[in-house]
Amino acid sequence: DSGVTQTPKHLITATGQRVTLRCSPRSGDLSVYWYQQSLDQGLQFLIQYYNGEERAKGNILERFSAQQFPDLHSELNLSSLELGDSALYFCASSTTDSSGNTIYFGEGSWLTVV
Amino acid sequence: AQKVTQAQTEISVVEKEDVTLDCVYETRDTTYYLFWYKQPPSGELVFLIRRNSFDEQNEISGRYSWNFQKSTSSFNFTITASQVVDSAVYFCALRGGGGADGLTFGKGTHLIIQP
Repeated sequence: DSGVTQTPKHLITATGQRVTLRCSPRSGDLSVYWYQQSLDQGLQFLIQYYNGEERAKGNILERFSAQQFPDLHSELNLSSLELGDSALYFCASSTTDSSGNTIYFGEGSWLTVV
Repeated sequence: AQKVTQAQTEISVVEKEDVTLDCVYETRDTTYYLFWYKQPPSGELVFLIRRNSFDEQNEISGRYSWNFQKSTSSFNFTITASQVVDSAVYFCALRGGGGADGLTFGKGTHLIIQP
């Protein structure tokens, strides 16, 4: 158990809908990351937050957005969903925003868009 | 741009054999960090090791060992006396020293340990 908690574990929704994925980082970790794992794209970095502020952006679509709240939990919002958004979404956390920190991953949220 | 290549898509060995998973990386950063993660069939990503670019010392942890060679930009992972529980997808990942980016992952190697 990495200490990173993600909900829901599984989600099935229809095209065009909007979903919110939630993440609680490990106790004491200030940095939160979101990653997407799909069969065709592999594991891709989406976005990073550090202590409530956006720190780095990867291949995140404009239809997707995220935020980190004062209690350090984070949410990833996916809107106007398409079939291709079906993937395993990981949240991860690290102590600070230093590149050398180990990044610990949650168990992921399986999203299926039908 | 950073890149991680895991040329072995799938490896199948019989239990108790030794197996090496290859990882080759590309980066222009002088300081960078390399990682290995394990993804068992249940789907979670489990951290295995982190290595700094300025520390080329190899590491051994039980049946696991890692060989980091800057000269060949490789960070290979060896499992000695493999077990069925080692069956998983293994990912090598790279992060630059600048910090303004996430991990760059390879496509993973699916390791199958047959009893």
